[in-house]
Amino acid sequence: GENVEQHPSTLSVQEGDSAVIKCTYSDSASNYFPWYKQELGKRPQLIIDIRSNVGEKKDQRIAVTLNKTAKHFSLHITETQPEDSAVYFCAASKGNKLVFGAGTILRVKS
Amino acid sequence: EADIYQTPRYLVIGTGKKITLECSQTMGHDKMYWYQQDPGMELHLIHYSYGVNSTEKGDLSSESTVSRIRTEHFPLTLESARPSHTSQYLCASHPGGQGRETQYFGPGTRLLVL
Repeated sequence: GENVEQHPSTLSVQEGDSAVIKCTYSDSASNYFPWYKQELGKRPQLIIDIRSNVGEKKDQRIAVTLNKTAKHFSLHITETQPEDSAVYFCAASKGNKLVFGAGTILRVKS
Repeated sequence: EADIYQTPRYLVIGTGKKITLECSQTMGHDKMYWYQQDPGMELHLIHYSYGVNSTEKGDLSSESTVSRIRTEHFPLTLESARPSHTSQYLCASHPGGQGRETQYFGPGTRLLVL
């Protein structure tokens, strides 16, 4: 079955700096890769996703890159703000079930 | 926000009690899921359903059971609650099909078993 590894487990950055979170997956047939943000006490919310026919996708300060050959994908947040502080989860699927990474706690220091 | 609801939001209950956590969605989604999550930790899939009368166990073994009699509802039942069941339970759904894989989460139920 699919296995998703996520690094780092915690990340502290200064406000205004960039943050990068990386994930690797094991099943080359996986074709959908969402990223969720979960604030304290809240539900996970989709922030960006990418499908296997695309190498990069951007939405304002957030971007995701996918390397199918290496089976890894990354989340990039530029100009970080205190409200970006949360737990971020990557996931991979090839149909319906999502397999999640273990999560990254991002702290943005002001 | 996606229209997916969970009740109760918080539940404190004694050991041995039977409990049912409710999940409902008004979007007509065929695919529904239950995840167990300790605070800030990994999401573990415990049950899923791809439609009415379809239920499957997830990757994490769980003593809970589920049913899917109606498209909108996907309740989770614990016949005899134990302290080890203390956790947050998240329900999610999506329509299914190509381009419609995004799962939308409910607000969660925080369960404390004493």
